[in-house]
Amino acid sequence: KQEVTQIPAALSVPEGENLVLNCSFTDSAIYNLQWFRQDPGKGLTSLLLIQSSQREQTSGRLNASLDKSSGRSTLYIAASQPGDSATYLCAATNYNQGGKLIFGQGTELSVKP
Amino acid sequence: KAGVTQTPRYLIKTRGQQVTLSCSPISGHRSVSWYQQTPGQGLQFLFEYFSETQRNKGNFPGRFSGRQFSNSRSEMNVSTLELGDSALYLCASSLTGEEQETQYFGPGTRLLVL
Repeated sequence: KQEVTQIPAALSVPEGENLVLNCSFTDSAIYNLQWFRQDPGKGLTSLLLIQSSQREQTSGRLNASLDKSSGRSTLYIAASQPGDSATYLCAATNYNQGGKLIFGQGTELSVKP
Repeated sequence: KAGVTQTPRYLIKTRGQQVTLSCSPISGHRSVSWYQQTPGQGLQFLFEYFSETQRNKGNFPGRFSGRQFSNSRSEMNVSTLELGDSALYLCASSLTGEEQETQYFGPGTRLLVL
């Protein structure tokens, strides 16, 4: 059974700092790993999707990596801004499960001006 | 292109009542999935519909049900509401619900059960 864990649960950094969010999963037979952002009381916005055959994906200041052998994914945010403050969730999709997403508990990020 | 829409956005019910939530996917998307988000359990998969058929189901009691219409709009119903059903209910849509597709989420319906 796939389990997804995110540590830390909360993180506070000063503006401009580079940071890394961690996501680990127990079943390496994942199909893909997706990172989402959630603002308070809102829905989820997809940030990056990494297929199991890929090692990383980049979008602007965001870079996500995937290491299936170690069961880990990281989301790197460069030059953080107060607008990056949100909860970041990772979600795994297993083979033959269609679009069913298995989520971690999220990391609540606060970027202080 | 309009995003995923959910109605209503907020709902207050009392224990024992039933509730119906609605989700309209992005135009052209035929797969709709539902998730429950609570502070204690996080985001949990409820079920997925494709072409009016339930294709996948999570570990929730039978009080939680859903359906999908021919225009891909989906509804979920919760009967005999319990306090623990208070949550943010999110739906997501994708073209066909295949593993490689990005899922797009709606803003959610916040349900409070008193």
